[in-house]
Amino acid sequence: GAVVSQHPSRVICKSGTSVKIECRSLDFQATTMFWYRQFPKQSLMLMATSNEGSKATYEQGVEKDKFLINHASLTLSTLTVTSAHPEDSSFYICSAQRYSYNEQFFGPGTRLTVL
Amino acid sequence: KQEVTQIPAALSVPEGENLVLNCSFTDSAIYNLQWFRQDPGKGLTSLLLIQSSQREQTSGRLNASLDKSSGRSTLYIAASQPGDSATYLCAPTGSGNTGKLIFGQGTTLQVKP
Repeated sequence: GAVVSQHPSRVICKSGTSVKIECRSLDFQATTMFWYRQFPKQSLMLMATSNEGSKATYEQGVEKDKFLINHASLTLSTLTVTSAHPEDSSFYICSAQRYSYNEQFFGPGTRLTVL
Repeated sequence: KQEVTQIPAALSVPEGENLVLNCSFTDSAIYNLQWFRQDPGKGLTSLLLIQSSQREQTSGRLNASLDKSSGRSTLYIAASQPGDSATYLCAPTGSGNTGKLIFGQGTTLQVKP
């Protein structure tokens, strides 16, 4: 149990386009999901906290208009990178928190490359 | 602001050795602490979760301890195997029950056959 999926696993896009990444908890309900980004050989940096049915809470320095987060159901959160630029190229990972367990389970990540 | 330090940054050992990975954090008001494993280019696999009221957790060859008051946690790996080669990440929560995890830089482990 406690499986989290992400789609797509890898995406290459042109500068200026928008990319949507999906994060799904497959076998449990997640009231809270988190989005992280990871640069090569660095640790994970929390971008935002996504709560079902409410607006996401962004960490300091993360542009909410650039990284749009929607948590429409207890099993799905989406991250849209709008008007992507090469500096947005990174590894994006989501996690889902299983209600009342406070344990987070991570997705396999999405590798975004902006040309 | 919670800050997490992991020592050593990298470790290379022969197969069969027992080893200890260290994690320290600055804010002891944590809700829990998780240890994760990350393989290159992959997501994170949760290894152990220690609640703030607990002293240790065990899963197979892994044992994690927590000393909240001193801001330290250790991950003990017994009888290491080449398949254990990965980066190990320690992540305590921030203050309060927000669920936010604060990650250290990780310890990259290589177990040689």
